Amino acid sequence: QKEVEQDPGPLSVPEGAIVSLNCTYSNSAFQYFMWYRQYSRKGPELLMYTYSSGNKEDGRFTAQVDKSSKYISLFIRDSQPSDSATYLCAMVNEGNQFYFGTGTSLTVIP
Amino acid sequence: DVKVTQSSRYLVKRTGEKVFLECVQDMDHENMFWYRQDPGLGLRLIYFSYDVKMKEKGDIPEGYSVSREKKERFSLILESASTNQTSMYLCASDRIGLEQYFGPGTRLTVT
Repeated sequence: QKEVEQDPGPLSVPEGAIVSLNCTYSNSAFQYFMWYRQYSRKGPELLMYTYSSGNKEDGRFTAQVDKSSKYISLFIRDSQPSDSATYLCAMVNEGNQFYFGTGTSLTVIP
Repeated sequence: DVKVTQSSRYLVKRTGEKVFLECVQDMDHENMFWYRQDPGLGLRLIYFSYDVKMKEKGDIPEGYSVSREKKERFSLILESASTNQTSMYLCASDRIGLEQYFGPGTRLTVT
């Protein structure tokens, strides 16, 4: 079983839709949770960072962590064509080791 | 702003050539990483370094080596390039387990 599971998609939504991206994990020792956005032929860029259960909001983006279910989500409100990218979840354990999901490809259609 | 730069965006090399990929970060980060990214496989860790002259193997170190002579610079070396090393190579840095910052990537093609 992989440490981090992420549905690769692809996901295609109309402009303005609410997008939900998800990852599950198996290791309860993960302490930090991140979402990265990667545009085509570019390196990943950090989007959201959280270390506790609950919600964290940043503009149109909300990161949600449920440690009891070992489940994290990224919600994008009022999605825009510029949100079209691959989104990777990442988690860090107590030994500061990073584990990445394989990424979900998102296309927002104008 | 953290900046991680990589020496080349695109590289084409022949089988058997020795290939050097350079990465430089300007934020005094202790940790530096080399990943390769392939469709369906995600990011796979090749090597990482917690300090100057230190290196640790990641998940797929075979066929690669690294060098870290200065804190800001981390080099990945393909001793004898092979076609199965055609990939996107990403360098990253962080400060002791906080968020990793990535470079723009080098798309390497080995023919």
